[in-house]
Amino acid sequence: EIVLTQSPATLSLSPGAPATLSCRASQSLGNSLAWYQHKPGQAPSLLINAASDRATGVPARFSGSGSGTHFTLTISSLEPQDFAVYYCQQRTNWPPSFGQGTKLEI
Amino acid sequence: EMQLVESGGGLVQPGGSLRLSCSASGFTFSDYAMHWVRQTPGKGLEYISGISRDESGSYYANSVKPRFTISRDNSRNTLFLEMRSLRREDTAVYFCVKDQNGYLVRGAWGFDSWGPGTQVSVSS
Repeated sequence: EIVLTQSPATLSLSPGAPATLSCRASQSLGNSLAWYQHKPGQAPSLLINAASDRATGVPARFSGSGSGTHFTLTISSLEPQDFAVYYCQQRTNWPPSFGQGTKLEI
Repeated sequence: EMQLVESGGGLVQPGGSLRLSCSASGFTFSDYAMHWVRQTPGKGLEYISGISRDESGSYYANSVKPRFTISRDNSRNTLFLEMRSLRREDTAVYFCVKDQNGYLVRGAWGFDSWGPGTQVSVSS
């Protein structure tokens, strides 16, 4: 099973600042990586498909990059509603698996 | 707007059973594979089961095989998860999740709709 390692576990930033979140895979994924945002008590929401394709309705301040074993989610300028937990997920191999999450806090 | 709503969670004793349901709306349910993902404080998000659009294929994580059974009723736009022989480590929030594809295949796309989740607590 592919293991995804996210870093940092917690990221403390202020609104307006940029944010960079990392996801590393135990083996090459090509571009088969997705990113999700999850707020407490809500449904997780898909941000990024295929490492860099923003999902429908996702603001342009969110961008994904990377391939192989190292991927990055960048938020160019944090809005108050962006403070949440972010997960990466692969489906290069079945079953799909998730990273342990990065908590983005104010 | 796509919407998924889970129900059926609750408190159950070890060894007991529960049946989760997920009601879908806002998309053609029968076109897409569906999945269950759970979240525990200690283990984060765990993929536990999936079923293809036409029930031709299904998958179970080792942690729930053979205790859990996934099924769907395309005429009622509903996904189910039958859980038996529940253990304390099954305590989690269970999410119903929609695929962007009709079958359980590898690929570069993610899950594009999630329900808010239903809490399952296994305790005596």
